[in-house]
Amino acid sequence: EAQVTQNPRYLITVTGKKLTVTCSQNMNHEYMSWYRQDPGLGLRQIYYSMNVEVTDKGDVPEGYKVSRKEKRNFPLILESPSPNQTSLYFCASSFRLNTEAFFGQGTRLTVV
Amino acid sequence: GNSVTQMEGPVTLSEEAFLTINCTYTATGYPSLFWYVQYPGEGLQLLLKATKADDKGSNKGFEATYRKETTSFHLEKGSVQVSDSAVYFCALRGGDDMRFGAGTRLTVKP
Repeated sequence: EAQVTQNPRYLITVTGKKLTVTCSQNMNHEYMSWYRQDPGLGLRQIYYSMNVEVTDKGDVPEGYKVSRKEKRNFPLILESPSPNQTSLYFCASSFRLNTEAFFGQGTRLTVV
Repeated sequence: GNSVTQMEGPVTLSEEAFLTINCTYTATGYPSLFWYVQYPGEGLQLLLKATKADDKGSNKGFEATYRKETTSFHLEKGSVQVSDSAVYFCALRGGDDMRFGAGTRLTVKP
C-alpha cells in the first residue's frame, strides 16, 4: 500500500531535549516536505527536499533541521525544542513538483 | 510571492444543503490548484485538483473550476452529507513552492 509513515504519532517532551520525527515513503517519490499546522494559520512549510542530498528552507525553518540521505526517508530534527514548537507536524511526498502530495498521519508534539 | 486565501469558518450546514467554500490565490506563472480534506485525527487527503485554466476538478460530488480571470478555485457540492464533516484546505503549487490556505472547518448536521 502506498503510504507516508510518520513516527511517533504523539510526543510530549521537555524544553531543550533533542528529538527526531521520522518520515518514510514507499512510493519512490523525489519530493518530500515537512509542514506544521497551527490553528488559524493552516499549513506552513518548514523544509523541503527535491531529491537525495538536496534540501531547502521553507517558510518557517528556524529551530529545525532535516536530512535526506536516502530517497525514502526525510527525518525532522529539533536540536533544542522550545514551547513555541508545540504543534501538529505533517510529512508529505510527491512524485514531482506539480503532482499530488501524499501526507502522513501527523505527529502531535508538545514541548513543556 | 504565492499565496492562498480561503473563507474562514467554521461552516455549519444541514444535511443536503448546498456548499460553497471560497478560495482565491495570488501567483506568478501557471500554478496547479488543489483541494485537500482532513478528517479528524488524520492527515490531508487530496480531494480534487486542476492544473490549468478552465479545468474542472471533481470527486465524491465535490467540484471546483480553475478560474484564471478571477484567480479563484471555489469548492462546491450540491448536497452535503454528515460524512463530509472535515477541514478543507485550498492549496496552490507553483514551481517548488506549495501554499495552503488556513483551512475551513465544515460541520454537517443531520
